[in-house]
Amino acid sequence: GEDVEQSLFLSVREGDSSVINCTYTDSSSTYLYWYKQEPGAGLQLLTYIFSNMDMKQDQRLTVLLNKKDKHLSLRIADTQTGDSAIYFCAERRMNNNDMRFGAGTRLTVKP
Amino acid sequence: GAVVSQHPSWVICKSGTSVKIECRSLDFQATTMFWYRQFPKQSLMLMATSNEGSKATYEQGVEKDKFLINHASLTLSTLTVTSAHPEDSSFYICSAADPPTQYFGPGTRLLVL
Repeated sequence: GEDVEQSLFLSVREGDSSVINCTYTDSSSTYLYWYKQEPGAGLQLLTYIFSNMDMKQDQRLTVLLNKKDKHLSLRIADTQTGDSAIYFCAERRMNNNDMRFGAGTRLTVKP
Repeated sequence: GAVVSQHPSWVICKSGTSVKIECRSLDFQATTMFWYRQFPKQSLMLMATSNEGSKATYEQGVEKDKFLINHASLTLSTLTVTSAHPEDSSFYICSAADPPTQYFGPGTRLLVL
């Protein structure tokens, strides 16, 4: 199976909070990332968290990491239509130069 | 955040021709750059890791003679798709390592007719 798993779709109403979940399998992961991809564009780094942290907040974004369960989530507060995009979770493993990506979660924000 | 550019942003070429895509880190130096391929509605597939001054490391199943990678400087990596065929049509994205993160270019859409 996939090393990094995400649900494929999420739909919310404008103003609500969005929570995008991700699970990974490698306990040696050192950093975990959230990227945003808008149609026809590259990936924009939203935030990342070091594996010895359990939470990181940056304005409307809150990342929660449960290392025991290998579960990562991204919460977007007050979701706006401009947040509609695909969100990729990624992990970087110890002694590994590249990242492993999930399949991406397509977030749709309805007015 | 750091900026990575790609050029061209899109290209249409005839089957059998070669296409070169450039990836530049604009405000930082990148010893390591990565080339990914993305199919519609799918995740990124790592093609190769490019290290400045040395040969690229290709992922299993990626033909190194077809996808030539050159990382001649700390700010530039190029991917050349040689003798392109319609099945090479895809969205190609590069990224540059700025540890512990990677910054991505905007992507190049290649259409081979």
